[in-house]
Amino acid sequence: KAGVTQTPRYLIKTRGQQVTLSCSPISGHRSVSWYQQTPGQGLQFLFEYFSETQRNKGNFPGRFSGRQFSNSRSEMNVSTLELGDSALYLCASRTGEQETQYFGPGTRLLVL
Amino acid sequence: AQKVTQAQTEISVVEKEDVTLDCVYETRDTTYYLFWYKQPPSGELVFLIRRNSFDEQNEISGRYSWNFQKSTSSFNFTITASQVVDSAVYFCALSGRFRETSGSRLTFGEGTQLTVNP
Repeated sequence: KAGVTQTPRYLIKTRGQQVTLSCSPISGHRSVSWYQQTPGQGLQFLFEYFSETQRNKGNFPGRFSGRQFSNSRSEMNVSTLELGDSALYLCASRTGEQETQYFGPGTRLLVL
Repeated sequence: AQKVTQAQTEISVVEKEDVTLDCVYETRDTTYYLFWYKQPPSGELVFLIRRNSFDEQNEISGRYSWNFQKSTSSFNFTITASQVVDSAVYFCALSGRFRETSGSRLTFGEGTQLTVNP
């Protein structure tokens, strides 16, 4: 079974731009979660989607948003990028609540 | 609120040494799950083990073993006879029922950078 895939793997943007990251979960997994990893803040939860509905949201500003499609693929969007948004963005999928989350390779975003 | 503490920021050992990574957690949930993930330089988080709060039985998988002690809120990870390929950042994580909303999230510790030298 293929693992979680994320595209693109690397991205360079400038301040003020917006960016969309994509995540394809493991086949059969209906839950997708997003995490941000930075050297200063570590791994932080962004949001979780299940069956196209946002079920949980972390403590991030409204510039961070996401959605999930009927095939369980998910996208996250960051608008008006700031330098501090430079991070590794990790997507994880699982079959359901309380099940193990399996992570993708991440998207490394650099904001200049 | 949930919290995971990994007090060891960096550990350096010589190949074949045993090494233990510490993890202490805090939660008010009565049902919760503990995890260990490995993050090699490539960045992907690799799942190693999951433990639920009802099962305090220690587990061994090859050179890896885990010691879960609910009385001290600890979930420590030991690598026996370490190898260079074990070099990575290791994260302990906690998942519990999020009271205010449905669903759950992983709360991660700060991570421990393990370097195994030949």
